[in-house]
Amino acid sequence: AQKVTQAQTEISVVEKEDVTLDCVYETRDTTYYLFWYKQPPSGELVFLIRRNSFDEQNEISGRYSWNFQKSTSSFNFTITASQVVDSAVYFCALSEAGSSNTGKLIFGQGTTLQVKP
Amino acid sequence: SQTIHQWPATLVQPVGSPLSLECTVEGTSNPNLYWYRQAAGRGLQLLFYSVGIGQISSEVPQNLSASRPQDRQFILSSKKLLLSDSGFYLCAWSPFGGRLQTQYFGPGTRLLVL
Repeated sequence: AQKVTQAQTEISVVEKEDVTLDCVYETRDTTYYLFWYKQPPSGELVFLIRRNSFDEQNEISGRYSWNFQKSTSSFNFTITASQVVDSAVYFCALSEAGSSNTGKLIFGQGTTLQVKP
Repeated sequence: SQTIHQWPATLVQPVGSPLSLECTVEGTSNPNLYWYRQAAGRGLQLLFYSVGIGQISSEVPQNLSASRPQDRQFILSSKKLLLSDSGFYLCAWSPFGGRLQTQYFGPGTRLLVL
């Protein structure tokens, strides 16, 4: 069965600290995509990154980095030198390529990140 | 560039009243369209998706229905709202041509059923 687990419900850090948000997924498909979205207080989900199952190369974008490890079914997200503007709920999501797939995103429950000044 | 709009932004409705939420996408053709609901507790659940005009698939049986009268318009409806329909409704689109495309979300509609 497909499932995404974000075990950290809430994380609180002080500005400039590094923080890692964990994501563990379950799928039987060999082809799938993983996503991270950010939901600021306004509510809109903002797309951050997409990785496919055949590309385990880690990615860095500014202060953001992602570590994809198929061996542990994890796709963790690290924010370096966190800022108050990073405060939001972060969602990890999975989309499978199975023939019955609708393009549906399976979301984790989200991690609320609070960055204090 | 593509943009996605939802309205209304906020809605308070009595139990038993009808509902119509609208989503429109600009700057693209033949998008895949999706309706998600985010209940209190933050999880997002896919309600409906559409790959073309008049083509609607439901993921979860419920009190709601969806329609796609135009290529870039997606409507979520109910004939009689229930208390359990309260939540944050998000519309999303993805480019035509595949199921594994990135989905881009609208600003959402907050619905409170009293």
